[in-house]
Amino acid sequence: GNSVTQMEGPVTLSEEAFLTINCTYTATGYPSLFWYVQYPGEGLQLLLKATKADDKGSNKGFEATYRKETTSFHLEKGSVQVSDSAVYFCALSDRSNNDMRFGAGTRLTVKP
Amino acid sequence: NAGVTQTPEFQVLKTGQSMTLRCAQDMNHEYMSWYRQDPGMGLRLIHYSVGAGITDQGEVPNGYNVSRSTTEDFPLRLLSAAPSQTSVYFCASSPPGAYEQYFGPGTRLTVT
Repeated sequence: GNSVTQMEGPVTLSEEAFLTINCTYTATGYPSLFWYVQYPGEGLQLLLKATKADDKGSNKGFEATYRKETTSFHLEKGSVQVSDSAVYFCALSDRSNNDMRFGAGTRLTVKP
Repeated sequence: NAGVTQTPEFQVLKTGQSMTLRCAQDMNHEYMSWYRQDPGMGLRLIHYSVGAGITDQGEVPNGYNVSRSTTEDFPLRLLSAAPSQTSVYFCASSPPGAYEQYFGPGTRLTVT
């Protein structure tokens, strides 16, 4: 079946540091890939998405590229801020069978 | 638009009690789903619906029932609560032809 594997956290960085959160997936079809962000006490918010191979999703300085050859969708940001502290979830959606799978989540803490 | 709304925000149940978690969306989305979020496990799909009158099971359906009598509402029923159902429950919806989902703020349920 489909699955998503994220790098384990927690991740602690200083403000303005470079961020990478690794995500790899297993899928039988051609899924769409997503990064969601969850701030404390809130629901998940869509951060960015990519629907086909080589697509790059971007939003709020975050980027991720859909790499079919390595089955990866790593999240990157060049300079993190304290306000980026949250839990980040990688997810895939195979709507041919209404199947959406999430990674376990990676908690990011950014210190001033 | 209010988006996806969930009630209640918090709930404490005793083992064996039943209750209904409510979810509503005002975006005319056909697809709605329920997830549970447990530490270190990401989100797991409980049930989903592709339209009024149509529901299906997700990854972890046991102990839960759903119905979809209208496009707007998708309630989740716990038939006989167990401590293993202590979790945060999220409802989500998705517009036709889109793969991303929009999440409600969650219901934090404790079963003692």
